[in-house]
Order: sequence, then C-alpha cells, then structure tokens
Amino acid sequence: QSALTQPPSASGSPGQSVTISCTGTSSDVGGYNYVSWYQQHPGKAPKLMIYEVSKRPSGVPDRFSGSKSGNTASLTVSGLQAEDEADYYCSSYAGSNNVFGTGTKVTVL
Amino acid sequence: EVQLVESGGGLVQPGGSLRLSCAASGFTFSSYWMHWVRQAPGKGLVWVSRINSDGSSTSYADSVKGRFTISRDNAKNTLYLQMNSLRAEDTAVYYCASGYPDYWGQGTLVTVSS
Repeated sequence: QSALTQPPSASGSPGQSVTISCTGTSSDVGGYNYVSWYQQHPGKAPKLMIYEVSKRPSGVPDRFSGSKSGNTASLTVSGLQAEDEADYYCSSYAGSNNVFGTGTKVTVL
Repeated sequence: EVQLVESGGGLVQPGGSLRLSCAASGFTFSSYWMHWVRQAPGKGLVWVSRINSDGSSTSYADSVKGRFTISRDNAKNTLYLQMNSLRAEDTAVYYCASGYPDYWGQGTLVTVSS
C-alpha cells in the first residue's frame, strides 16, 4: 500500500500549461482505469477534478484533462489561472484498497 | 445538493477510542461505496477505509487494520468509523467521501495526545 509518486511542486505563468505525473504500479494505476484527481485549497476539502482517468465532472472547466500510459497517470491544466494555485492529488483503485498520491503543489507565477 | 457532515472528532488520549459519524443527504446513500480519508496536519491525503453499498464488504489501510472498523446504516444514511487503540500518528482531519470518491465532507479533527 505505497503512496503513488507525484512531484512535490509544479509551476507556470498565467495562460501556460502545467502537467503533473502520478506514478504507481500494475496493481493500481496500471491495472485499472479508476484514476481520479483532486484539487485542494488550503483549509478546504478536496474537490474531484477528473475521474476514470480522463472524465470531467459537471462544472469542472475543460482546461483540466487527464490521461494514462502504463503505470503513470497525468493531469494537465491548460491556460493556468490564479485560482488553479492549489495542491493536487491523484488517487487510484487498487483492488483490495485505494491509494492516494503524495501530492503536488501547483504555483501560478 | 449532496451533503456529507462528519462529527465525533476531538481530543483523546493514546490508547483511547473514538467513533466518527458521517451524515449523508442529497443522494441515494445506499447505492454508493463510502470512504474515510485522513490528512495529518500539513501532510497529504491518506486513504483509510472503504465500505461497499450494502455494507457486506470492507477494506482497510494496513496502518489501521485491526484497530479501526468502518460500518454504515443505510436506514439512517450514516457512515461510521470506530477507532480503537488510537496512536499519536492517527492525529488528522478525517474526511468521509462517497463514490470514487467524488463528494467529500468538510472533515472532523481527531487529536491523539496525552
């Protein structure tokens, strides 16, 4: 039950794109198409941004997109805006358990 | 509107017990898997436990297995987490969440300290 690996930080200027990776194993990310991404602002509950690798819940801007290749999933935020500055976590179903990523702090320069 | 409201957190001594509750509304509670996820102060999200829609199947993180018990009452639209043999490292905000998880509550703080 090891956490999925994410880079600690990522940054970009307004309007630019940033991509966050989430690396797991064949027992979690690589084994199921049940990868989710969450945005968390300080002191707030997490918010679902992407589910089932690449699907966006209603109300989430299409600037947010997800993908997966092998054991690594990715979240791309295009057209960065100031309100996108937050912590982002990936998560995967892993059969007998679920697992979250280590988290990435996105800074809008 | 989906609402998940946690309660039952507080200060407890090491070795003590606490029972968290999560009251759900705005969706068909009995149709969804439910999770508990925790976040230690300044740290990341950690999955704790999940239960299937009818309560017949449960799973736990290794760190809480044998100490925590997840359960649900679909008649009361309520999720529970019974926490025994609490340790300092269990100190965290505990969130309940539904589905993927998709909807989350605002969390309840559990502090384990003497």
